[in-house]
Amino acid sequence: NAGVTQTPKFQVLKTGQSMTLQCAQDMNHEYMSWYRQDPGMGLRLIHYSVGAGITDQGEVPNGYNVSRSTTEDFPLRLLSAAPSQTSVYFCASSYLTSGVAYTGELFFGEGSRLTVL
Amino acid sequence: AQTVTQSQPEMSVQEAETVTLSCTYDTSENNYYLFWYKQPPSRQMILVIRQEAYKQQNATENRFSVNFQKAAKSFSLKISDSQLGDTAMYFCAFRVAGAGSYQLTFGKGTKLSVIP
Repeated sequence: NAGVTQTPKFQVLKTGQSMTLQCAQDMNHEYMSWYRQDPGMGLRLIHYSVGAGITDQGEVPNGYNVSRSTTEDFPLRLLSAAPSQTSVYFCASSYLTSGVAYTGELFFGEGSRLTVL
Repeated sequence: AQTVTQSQPEMSVQEAETVTLSCTYDTSENNYYLFWYKQPPSRQMILVIRQEAYKQQNATENRFSVNFQKAAKSFSLKISDSQLGDTAMYFCAFRVAGAGSYQLTFGKGTKLSVIP
């Protein structure tokens, strides 16, 4: 019963390096998203997808790229890491109702703690 | 834009007692969803309870219940018979209902400690 799986759980990068955070879900959810969690800031939406080949920006998309080639996977790419991207990243997924809306119950991964030096 | 405010950064409660976490929100929308999510120290976020704005009846889930006051834009969470496993960060969240609305807006969270 895997649910939403994120890798890696911890990563340290140097400024300017690139990396990809992986997210996979086995619940056949159409909707997938990435959030970042910073102290005193709650969670903020970075990017989301409502199906393979469809992605859109959230509240804080700058510095991040995403793609969705399959229903199961939704990787988050940092092309040139900056210290401001030090955060805990969460992938979350959900069902869509009639292909256009979701009830709002998100299923979260365990998070990936990223430190950029 | 929607905002969610949790005015209590930290709270504590004795085991078996009752505690209420506050949440207010600001929106011009009439139809929306409200949620409380729990994030235990292990970090995985899980849904505690959900409320649809068009429903007047307050949602309940076992020991968890909400007091939804639509006119006051208030959505508090009551935890009865608190248990040690309730120790966690609790986030209030809001989402506009309807097709194409995907962003969940979170409050900053309340850290709840249950004391033995």
